[in-house]
Amino acid sequence: EDKVVQSPLSLVVHEGDTVTLNCSYEVTNFRSLLWYKQEKKAPTFLFMLTSSGIEKKSGRLSSILDKKELFSILNITATQTGDSAIYLCAVWSGTYKYIFGTGTRLKVLA
Amino acid sequence: EAQVTQNPRYLITVTGKKLTVTCSQNMNHEYMSWYRQDPGLGLRQIYYSMNVEVTDKGDVPEGYKVSRKEKRNFPLILESPSPNQTSLYFCASSFVNRGSNEQFFGPGTRLTVL
Repeated sequence: EDKVVQSPLSLVVHEGDTVTLNCSYEVTNFRSLLWYKQEKKAPTFLFMLTSSGIEKKSGRLSSILDKKELFSILNITATQTGDSAIYLCAVWSGTYKYIFGTGTRLKVLA
Repeated sequence: EAQVTQNPRYLITVTGKKLTVTCSQNMNHEYMSWYRQDPGLGLRQIYYSMNVEVTDKGDVPEGYKVSRKEKRNFPLILESPSPNQTSLYFCASSFVNRGSNEQFFGPGTRLTVL
């Protein structure tokens, strides 16, 4: 059975801290891994990763994929209160399904 | 503006009363999908569609129906809703083979079945 597991389930940090969110997967016919941010509404896209070892970066956020060990990490440096959200990891499989993890709830305190 | 729209945004209904949640996208995406989101369970895929007249079951299809008669629309039908279908529903769309599988999500429909 395909599955995506995220850790930790929740995290509380202070502004300025650096956080690392984890996503491991066991998915038949992996095609790509995607990260989304969900505030009090619909998820919004952050990154798509298809190749191992190539870091994707956007401002203070970065992500990398390890296809040998079947995991990805999302790093957020110098966190701000606006980073508080649920971060979702999803895998797009060759069977045309998206499999989502349960998410990591991040709270950044001022 | 490129977007996915869903209607209604909020719905309270009673057990057994058929309902339809509409979803429409204006980005000419081939792929459309329905998800439900429940606390502690994340987003679970209900049904998806690769293109017009092509639909398939996701992980939690029981109690739901879909149709894809036009490329832009993908309605979700609950023939006989039950309380365990109370949830937050999202429609999403994306291209399939154009370099990015980024999904665009609708605003969500919060459904309560009494």
